Amino acid sequence: AQKVTQAQTEISVVEKEDVTLDCVYETRDTTYYLFWYKQPPSGELVFLIRRNSFDEQNEISGRYSWNFQKSTSSFNFTITASQVVDSAVYFCALRGGSYIPTFGRGTSLIVHP
Amino acid sequence: GAGVSQSPRYKVAKRGQDVALRCDPISGHVSLFWYQQALGQGPEFLTYFQNEAQLDKSGLPSDRFFAERPEGSVSTLKIQRTQQEDSAVYLCASSLQTSGSPDTQYFGPGTRLTVL
Repeated sequence: AQKVTQAQTEISVVEKEDVTLDCVYETRDTTYYLFWYKQPPSGELVFLIRRNSFDEQNEISGRYSWNFQKSTSSFNFTITASQVVDSAVYFCALRGGSYIPTFGRGTSLIVHP
Repeated sequence: GAGVSQSPRYKVAKRGQDVALRCDPISGHVSLFWYQQALGQGPEFLTYFQNEAQLDKSGLPSDRFFAERPEGSVSTLKIQRTQQEDSAVYLCASSLQTSGSPDTQYFGPGTRLTVL
């Protein structure tokens, strides 16, 4: 069975602070894919990144960066110099051998001006 | 269209009413998924279509839930005799390729269903 744990229910920061959202996963599959989605108040899940299990390189995209560590089954997401527009719920998801992704419960990020 | 669209965005139903939720996937996308998202939770899989074929409906919570995609594009999720526990956001997602690929799913804005 697959499982995704996002232990942080809610994080509150002040603008320009850096913030890291944690994601820990469990799977028996050797090939799997990890995703991060952003869900703003409008409700739509916005795709941020996909990472496959064979690629442990960290990735940076502007203010966003992702740290994938198979040894600890973690795929953490860092926002540098946070902005008010980053306020949203962020979901980590795992897709293994099944095409059905498993989502975490999400982390609500609130960025105060 | 540029993205996945869903209608209506909000639906209020009285308990026992039937509802129909529509999803317009991205043009040309083969795969279509429906999810249910309860308040404070992540999306939970309901059903999957590859073109017009419903290949997996294992996530549908009861036989009151029915989905179709007759021409392989637009899909409708129907809930009969709605109950209060059906209140949730229903999300639709589409992806370009078949389920066997690691293709990214693109989500619509969802329909928020409230059953009174």
